Amino acid sequence: RKEVEQDPGPFNVPEGATVAFNCTYSNSASQSFFWYRQDCRKEPKLLMSVYSSGNEDGRFTAQLNRASQYISLLIRDSKLSDSATYLCVVNPNAGGTSYGKLTFGQGTILTVHP
Amino acid sequence: GAVVSQHPSWVICKSGTSVKIECRSLDFQATTMFWYRQFPKQSLMLMATSNEGSKATYEQGVEKDKFLINHASLTLSTLTVTSAHPEDSSFYICSAPPLNTGELFFGEGSRLTVL
Repeated sequence: RKEVEQDPGPFNVPEGATVAFNCTYSNSASQSFFWYRQDCRKEPKLLMSVYSSGNEDGRFTAQLNRASQYISLLIRDSKLSDSATYLCVVNPNAGGTSYGKLTFGQGTILTVHP
Repeated sequence: GAVVSQHPSWVICKSGTSVKIECRSLDFQATTMFWYRQFPKQSLMLMATSNEGSKATYEQGVEKDKFLINHASLTLSTLTVTSAHPEDSSFYICSAPPLNTGELFFGEGSRLTVL
């Protein structure tokens, strides 16, 4: 089983649609969780951290279920500019110098069309 | 936010040659930097942890003699792909964590093509 597993998609949705991505992780001791966005041939950029209580940033909502080892990202009112690959990222450690030892999912491709 | 710069962003080389990629933290010091590799349609895989003033720590399966890492200063880490082969063609990305920020910043990535 992969350490971090995502549905690779691709997801093709019209503008204005709501789309949800799911992610599961295998290490139950994992401490921190993130969603990154990666545009084609570019570096990943942090979209948002994921907290146990769930968190929202504008049109984006992230949820974490530690019991099920499951993370989700919901995008509402999709824009053309949301087209990208969304990476589910897990850190088995709380921070410090081990912060960079992130485990990346393979990414979910989203294409938003007019 | 903090800025991490990589150079070159694109390199094409002949098989058997060596290629050096630089990773710089522009507005913060980084005692630790991380090197990732990403093949097409695959996830980023951590190759090694670069430690300022000491030897790099390599992940399992990564050849340390092939991927030479030097972290000579608090703002610069270099990755040298020695005797490159076509199978080394990939997207190499570095990252650095500014202390106490809770975020990891990535360089722009370096796309290596070995002919």
